Amino acid sequence: EDQVTQSPEALRLQEGESSSLNCSYTVSGLRGLFWYRQDPGKGPEFLFTLYSAGEEKEKERLKATLTKKESFLHITAPKPEDSATYLCAVQAPHTNAGKSTFGDGTTLTVKP
Amino acid sequence: DVKVTQSSRYLVKRTGEKVFLECVQDMDHENMFWYRQDPGLGLRLIYFSYDVKMKEKGDIPEGYSVSREKKERFSLILESASTNQTSMYLCASRPLRTESSYNSPLHFGNGTRLTVT
Repeated sequence: EDQVTQSPEALRLQEGESSSLNCSYTVSGLRGLFWYRQDPGKGPEFLFTLYSAGEEKEKERLKATLTKKESFLHITAPKPEDSATYLCAVQAPHTNAGKSTFGDGTTLTVKP
Repeated sequence: DVKVTQSSRYLVKRTGEKVFLECVQDMDHENMFWYRQDPGLGLRLIYFSYDVKMKEKGDIPEGYSVSREKKERFSLILESASTNQTSMYLCASRPLRTESSYNSPLHFGNGTRLTVT
């Protein structure tokens, strides 16, 4: 069974204090690892897709990396507007739809 | 931009009522999904559909059914609502897995928060 574990559950940072969020996974035949951002009262919004170990993607203050067992979302010099819940999901082959399995998320709070 | 629209943001229903949650997407995506999101349990897949009139059970289909009569619309039905179905329901869509859209991300609606009393 595919599993995704995110840590920590919650992270509180001061503005400018860099840190990392972890996503550990087990999946038979990884087809992609996704990071999403979810603001309160809204649906998740796509950030990155990673496909193979060693791959990295960047967007503004966020950088996602991937190994064979885990992914990290590095946040450099965060701002209060980066406060959100960050979700990790893995995709295994399943028909044409591609079923995704999600972690429980890390809720990030950045204080000014 | 892809838009996934869920017809209600908030719903309050009574135990035993039949409940319909509607979702429409405007990007001609083949695949559509219904998830529920609960604190401590994350997003769990209820049902998905990869074509009109086609559906497959997800991880927690009990107590739910779905309907996909048109490509753009995917409905979630609670046949007889119960209090343990109080949750945030999220609809998502994704294009068919092809060379150009292989493993494209999910596009989510803003959710329907359902309370069953």
